[in-house]
Amino acid sequence: KAGVTQTPRYLIKTRGQQVTLSCSPISGHRSVSWYQQTPGQGLQFLFEYFSETQRNKGNFPGRFSGRQFSNSRSEMNVSTLELGDSALYLCASSSGTGYLANTGELFFGEGSRLTVL
Amino acid sequence: AQTVTQSQPEMSVQEAETVTLSCTYDTSENNYYLFWYKQPPSRQMILVIRQEAYKQQNATENRFSVNFQKAAKSFSLKISDSQLGDTAMYFCAFMRNTGNQFYFGTGTSLTVIP
Repeated sequence: KAGVTQTPRYLIKTRGQQVTLSCSPISGHRSVSWYQQTPGQGLQFLFEYFSETQRNKGNFPGRFSGRQFSNSRSEMNVSTLELGDSALYLCASSSGTGYLANTGELFFGEGSRLTVL
Repeated sequence: AQTVTQSQPEMSVQEAETVTLSCTYDTSENNYYLFWYKQPPSRQMILVIRQEAYKQQNATENRFSVNFQKAAKSFSLKISDSQLGDTAMYFCAFMRNTGNQFYFGTGTSLTVIP
């Protein structure tokens, strides 16, 4: 079974540009979450999608947005990039619904490393 | 709000020895889940062990075990017979029982010394 696939793996942008990152979850997983990982802050939750609906959203500005398609693939977009957006962006999928006992573990992709110059 | 604290940014252990990584969390929830994830250098994050808060028995997975103290809101990870492949960043994580939103600590970088 293929794991979580994230593209692109590395990218360099300049301030003010926008970027779109893609995530293909494990087949059959309907939940996709996005995290921002930086050395000082660790992993910060961005948002989670389940069956094309955003269920949870972290404390990030509106420049960060996402969506999920009917095949569970997800994209996240960051507009008007700032230097502080440089980070590793991790996508994770889960087979669980996240409610009570039906909670699956998170399966992570290798991440997309974004550098903003 | 939920917070997860890992107070040990870096640790080291001799190969074959035992090491314990600390984690505390803060929540007003009664039902939740706790996890330890491992992120090897330049590799993807994988689950090490999980614990349901309603279970009093501490979880164990081979050389990995936890000490879950619900009243103290403490969730430490013990690695026995440390191996070189255990060198990684370890993240403690909390999840409420509603939705797949995880709260992670800032991580502990563990180095196993041969």
